[in-house]
Amino acid sequence: DTAVSQTPKYLVTQMGNDKSIKCEQNLGHDTMYWYKQDSKKFLKIMFSYNNKELIINETVPNRFSPKSPDKAHLNLHINSLELGDSAVYFCASSALEGGAEQYFGPGTRLTVT
Amino acid sequence: QQQVKQSPQSLIVQKGGISIINCAYENTAFDYFPWYQQFPGKGPALLIAIRPDVSEKKEGRFTISFNKSAKQFSLHIMDSQPGDSATYFCAASSGDKIIFGKGTRLHILP
Repeated sequence: DTAVSQTPKYLVTQMGNDKSIKCEQNLGHDTMYWYKQDSKKFLKIMFSYNNKELIINETVPNRFSPKSPDKAHLNLHINSLELGDSAVYFCASSALEGGAEQYFGPGTRLTVT
Repeated sequence: QQQVKQSPQSLIVQKGGISIINCAYENTAFDYFPWYQQFPGKGPALLIAIRPDVSEKKEGRFTISFNKSAKQFSLHIMDSQPGDSATYFCAASSGDKIIFGKGTRLHILP
């Protein structure tokens, strides 16, 4: 009965590959997010979706493409992976658009070699 | 104007001591100030939050102090315990956006 779940937890891949991270929330929230956390622990928002519509798209390379098949799922697809993409990616959800009460998933540690 | 400045970057406190983490903001449109706690290998989790109409909020050993005129707020952890060792993020929200501080790594010495 995990509120926000992500798969996989760890992802090791080579430069140039394409990979996806999946996220699901069972809280009934309308808004979902993707964050990137670098080695210095800085949390950077990448995307925000409200009821399947893209709301926020921060300055993120277009190799990153979010997909929301329904409001409970927000997947992240990354093309042509680069070394600098190595980070922990967190999915989160909130009841309200831009809501400060966010529920985070456990994270996906992506390592690009 | 959209930044939330958090300090210190890292903090070491003896068990039983008081841990204090400070944040400052510029945008007066912010109306909700949460703190998140993140343990290693886990996602951030909401710890405590405050609205600007009150100057202090306490939940157990955790207290937020809020100074609206100075545009500053802080987290105080009383009787700090080794289990409090984590990264803490302050944040500020204006309803349509949330901005996180850069985080403080707190280590409580046993």
